[in-house]
Amino acid sequence: DVKVTQSSRYLVKRTGEKVFLECVQDMDHENMFWYRQDPGLGLRLIYFSYDVKMKEKGDIPEGYSVSREKKERFSLILESASTNQTSMYLCASSLWRDPGELFFGEGSRLTVL
Amino acid sequence: LAKTTQPISMDSYEGQEVNITCSHNNIATNDYITWYQQFPSQGPRFIIQGYKTKVTNEVASLFIPADRKSSTLSLPRVSLSDTAVYYCLVGDIVNNNAGNMLTFGGGTRLMVKP
Repeated sequence: DVKVTQSSRYLVKRTGEKVFLECVQDMDHENMFWYRQDPGLGLRLIYFSYDVKMKEKGDIPEGYSVSREKKERFSLILESASTNQTSMYLCASSLWRDPGELFFGEGSRLTVL
Repeated sequence: LAKTTQPISMDSYEGQEVNITCSHNNIATNDYITWYQQFPSQGPRFIIQGYKTKVTNEVASLFIPADRKSSTLSLPRVSLSDTAVYYCLVGDIVNNNAGNMLTFGGGTRLMVKP
């Protein structure tokens, strides 16, 4: 089974802190994604990557950056956390040849105080 | 990107067949239709994907009419454990490049009652 592991299920940070959310997948997938999920807004794509060191902006990249130094790892970075970034963050991965089948992690619930 | 419209919520009873319809009027030639299921506090899970006509797997069926402007996810004989949010997505999965990634809408919240 494909496993997508997110480093923390729950985080509490303070406004202005730098936050790292880590995601690792074990199935050699080329594509990796970061979404955030908020009540009433569904899932919104922040960034995605289709190869090491490659990244593309999604629908809501403002306030976020990403890093993909290794194929299996995709990191989401909040340079200076703000309260409006309190959310559930979901990482996903997929094969290049089958980008429609996303495999998601369990999510990281971030609270920014 | 093709936009999708689906009902916000639906109720059903155990043992019934549930059909959830999704509208995607501006679907493009290369777009596929994909459905996901999400339980509370979990990430979405892939259910089924199709391009046209009918697709069936061990979990669900997907019906797509000839004009492809809508699709229907059919869940046979639902149980309480099928209570979840179901998302319909439309996207170009052939050309894996910027702008063709799948976009999730608000989903349909299905409540299965005893």
